[in-house]
Amino acid sequence: DVKVTQSSRYLVKRTGEKVFLECVQDMDHENMFWYRQDPGLGLRLIYFSYDVKMKEKGDIPEGYSVSREKKERFSLILESASTNQTSMYLCASSLGRVENGYTFGSGTRLTVV
Amino acid sequence: GQSLEQPSEVTAVEGAIVQINCTYQTSGFYGLSWYQQHDGGAPTFLSYNALDGLEETGRFSSFLSRSDSYGYLLLQELQMKDSASYFCAVSAGGYQKVTFGIGTKLQVIP
Repeated sequence: DVKVTQSSRYLVKRTGEKVFLECVQDMDHENMFWYRQDPGLGLRLIYFSYDVKMKEKGDIPEGYSVSREKKERFSLILESASTNQTSMYLCASSLGRVENGYTFGSGTRLTVV
Repeated sequence: GQSLEQPSEVTAVEGAIVQINCTYQTSGFYGLSWYQQHDGGAPTFLSYNALDGLEETGRFSSFLSRSDSYGYLLLQELQMKDSASYFCAVSAGGYQKVTFGIGTKLQVIP
């Protein structure tokens, strides 16, 4: 089975800190995604990547950046964390076309204080 | 952009059948997916419909009507373990970008 691993399950950071959320998948998937999940808002796409060193903005990219230096790793960066970025962050990967479905990691619950 | 509507909560009895509806508005529609998420868990992929009609996978079936911009997830012989949130998601646009609905929390009661 494909495994998507997010480096931290829970994270507490201070306002203004630079935050790195790491995601690694082990099945050679081309596509990787970062979503945030908030009550009543569902999952919202922040950034995605279809290849190494390639990135595309999702629906809510403001305040975030990403890095994909290797195929298996996709990092989400909060340049200067703010309290409105307190959320559950979910990384996902997929092979080829969307009908194959996404495989999600277990999520990182980030609290910015 | 895309928008999806699905009920926020549904309650059903163990052993019964429940239908979770999803309507969407989007341009460049490719298909409709469904995901299940238990509390504290990761979303898991259930099904994908690109063409009109019903797709069956065990106790779960998913339906799509492209002309009505409507789909549903049908869960039969409900079990307590089916209590979870269910998300519909549309794929559209050049990258087949997936946009999720807000999710329907299904509670199965004895």
